Amino acid sequence: GNSVTQMEGPVTLSEEAFLTINCTYTATGYPSLFWYVQYPGEGLQLLLKATKADDKGSNKGFEATYRKETTSFHLEKGSVQVSDSAVYFCALTRDTGRRALTFGSGTRLQVQP
Amino acid sequence: DVKVTQSSRYLVKRTGEKVFLECVQDMDHENMFWYRQDPGLGLRLIYFSYDVKMKEKGDIPEGYSVSREKKERFSLILESASTNQTSMYLCASRSTGGTQPQHFGDGTRLSIL
Repeated sequence: GNSVTQMEGPVTLSEEAFLTINCTYTATGYPSLFWYVQYPGEGLQLLLKATKADDKGSNKGFEATYRKETTSFHLEKGSVQVSDSAVYFCALTRDTGRRALTFGSGTRLQVQP
Repeated sequence: DVKVTQSSRYLVKRTGEKVFLECVQDMDHENMFWYRQDPGLGLRLIYFSYDVKMKEKGDIPEGYSVSREKKERFSLILESASTNQTSMYLCASRSTGGTQPQHFGDGTRLSIL
């Protein structure tokens, strides 16, 4: 079945640093890929998505490109802010189960002023 | 905006109790999902529903059941709560359509004593 592997955290950066959170996946078929963000005490919010190979999803300065050849969907941001501190989840749609999501384990990002 | 509302943010129950977690969405979505979130494990799918009175097991259904009597409401039931069911529970919904994302509630943090 489908699976997602994320880099372990926490990732600690200084404000304005460059961010990369690695995500690789295994899947059958052609899943859609997502990044969700969870701020402290809240549920998950969709950050960005990509639905086919070479698509780039972007939102709030974050970007990720659907790389089928390397089965990756790494999250990047050029200059992080303290307000970006959160847990980030990479996810993909399953090929069964009405497109329920399979999630990675999450990566906690801490941005220091 | 889609709104997914979970009835309780925090809940404390005792071992052996029957526990109900409620979720309501306001966008007429066909598909609804229950996940549990545990540190280091990401989110795992418990059950999902693709129509009124229709349900399917996810990855970890043991000890849980669900009910969907109306399209907007999806309930998770712990038949006889146990301490290993202490967790964060997240409800999500999505419309039918290949690339539509899931929308999440804020979660219910459940403690079983």
